[in-house]
This record gives sequence, C-alpha cells and structure tokens, in this order.
Amino acid sequence: DAKTTQPPSMDCAEGRAANLPCNHSTISGNEYVYWYRQIHSQGPQYIIHGLKNNETNEMASLIITEDRKSSTLILPHATLRDTAVYYCIVRVRAGGTSYGKLTFGQGTILTVHP
Amino acid sequence: GAVVSQHPSRVICKSGTSVKIECRSLDFQATTMFWYRQFPKQSLMLMATSNEGSKATYEQGVEKDKFLINHASLTLSTLTVTSAHPEDSSFYICSARQGERSPLHFGNGTRLTVT
Repeated sequence: DAKTTQPPSMDCAEGRAANLPCNHSTISGNEYVYWYRQIHSQGPQYIIHGLKNNETNEMASLIITEDRKSSTLILPHATLRDTAVYYCIVRVRAGGTSYGKLTFGQGTILTVHP
Repeated sequence: GAVVSQHPSRVICKSGTSVKIECRSLDFQATTMFWYRQFPKQSLMLMATSNEGSKATYEQGVEKDKFLINHASLTLSTLTVTSAHPEDSSFYICSARQGERSPLHFGNGTRLTVT
C-alpha cells in the first residue's frame, strides 16, 4: 500500500474550518484515499473516502489533487468534539484476500480549541 | 450505517487467566472481521483476519495459540487472550465491512488490563 505522510499535529479554532493535509505521492491508480478519526479511547470512525473526484458527506469534504499525490480533509465548522487523531490511509478498495487490512500510520492530532 | 459492537468495553484480569472479547456486526453480515491492537500513544496494529467458517490469518509476530480467534457465525467473531500476562494489556479493536465495496467500520474497543 502507498505510504502516507501527515503532520503530527494541528490546531483549529472552534467554528472555523479544519483543513488536514495528507501526502501520498506513491499512490497507485486503483488505490483509494480513506480518512478515519479516533477520539480518545474509542475505535476509529470512518469519515470519507475517494478515488479521484472530490467527495462530500455530512461529516466532511475530501479534496484530492488532480495528480492524486495529495489530499485534504476539510471539516467545515470544527467543534470541540472533533478533537481526535485523524488518519489518512491509502488502500485498494476491494478485491484480493488482503482487502480490508488497513495500515494505520501515526495520523494527525487535531485539537479544536474554544 | 453499519454498526460494530464490542463487549466488554473494559476488563481487568489476573495474570495467567484467559479473557474472551466479542465482536458483533449488528445490522449486517460480515464474512471477514479484523482484530487490531493499540498500545498507549501508538497507532493501531493489525493482529489477525477472522474468516467465518475457517481459520484466522495471523500477522507476522502474533502468536495464534495465544490469541485464539473464532468466527462461528456471520455476525460474531471472538478473540480469546489465553494465559494473559501484563504485557498483553492493551486496547483491542475489531472491525468489519458490510460488503465488498464498503469501508471498514470499527467497534469501540476493549481495554484489557492484566494485573
């Protein structure tokens, strides 16, 4: 799986947009970008995923560059409850016996402050 | 959305005893579930892949005789930590997917403390 690089930590003011970057310069054509977050002492929570088009759901937006070598997760109006570790993971979406084996890096610790 | 439930959320046991952790997919069937472990201030590490009706596949370095996995039905996988030691104290998390093209969903984890 392609390796991802994320900043170790970021801060954001409550109510403002949080933009979390992720570099995945070795991504392959059939690999998707997944974002999960883990709030302290809980299991990871799925946020969003995409292949090459920008995606939006009720939680966040995912912007993938045209060359697919990087992406940005956007939380449009961050709240204190969005404080968590955010993981960017690149993975083939389906197929093969190893499907589903997500490899977690260290992620970005996002702290939302009042 | 897909819900994965783990039980118990927290368990304390004495060294040498065995502990069973359950992982259930509440509103979908899961032929495959995954077990992860997370030590303090570290990221999640995959331990094994649990396959319904067949043997689990363990990651390198994970002892299959110590971490027994049973996936007896399409909605339940169990992880038994046998002869637990203090170094097995960790946060154990399971995950499952609803279908071939669905993202993985995770349980809320089980905090195991071995005294």
